[in-house]
Amino acid sequence: DTGVSQNPRHKITKRGQNVTFRCDPISEHNRLYWYRQTLGQGPEFLTYFQNEAQLEKSRLLSDRFSAERPKGSFSTLEIQRTEQGDSAMYLCASSFPARTDTQYFGPGTRLTVL
Amino acid sequence: QKEVEQDPGPLSVPEGAIVSLNCTYSNSAFQYFMWYRQYSRKGPELLMYTYSSGNKEDGRFTAQVDKSSKYISLFIRDSQPSDSATYLCAAVGRGTDKLIFGTGTRLQVFP
Repeated sequence: DTGVSQNPRHKITKRGQNVTFRCDPISEHNRLYWYRQTLGQGPEFLTYFQNEAQLEKSRLLSDRFSAERPKGSFSTLEIQRTEQGDSAMYLCASSFPARTDTQYFGPGTRLTVL
Repeated sequence: QKEVEQDPGPLSVPEGAIVSLNCTYSNSAFQYFMWYRQYSRKGPELLMYTYSSGNKEDGRFTAQVDKSSKYISLFIRDSQPSDSATYLCAAVGRGTDKLIFGTGTRLQVFP
């Protein structure tokens, strides 16, 4: 399967714990995006990378959130000191450069904070 | 006000009907428009994308953009029960890569 993959698919954690999610983009794609989706809403942009450079961050990405793409391949999204409001689906997408109109999404990681 | 507005539905139609899904947007800088389909608890799947005003057809799907009225539509012909999903419209502006999504319209096609 050559699509975007995300792990884990589900994560249940207690408030205050740290969690880390991984995204593996489509192999030829240089750009990688993170979005967050809550129930009944469309995805909201968090951040994106071209290769290893983080080019844009949303105001939604508070100090507790950090994203990395150290070798320009897979990416990780870490949430520190999780809060119940962090419960959501975290989606990763990838695309070729300058093809923002064709972002392909992974299956998402569903986070539940108890 | 959200930059992309979409009626959440649900929209319920019989099999074989023509479905019309619509979004409006407020930002004149939006250049590209997309439609995604999302099944329950899955990631969004890209259906169609378009740049300019007018129609774009792909099989049973037609995307329509009217930039003068800031209105985008997706038509589904001969709808099938397998089309039952949430349909998300999205837009991208100049100088940015971030997609701005509507809330999604839940569609149910019954046999």
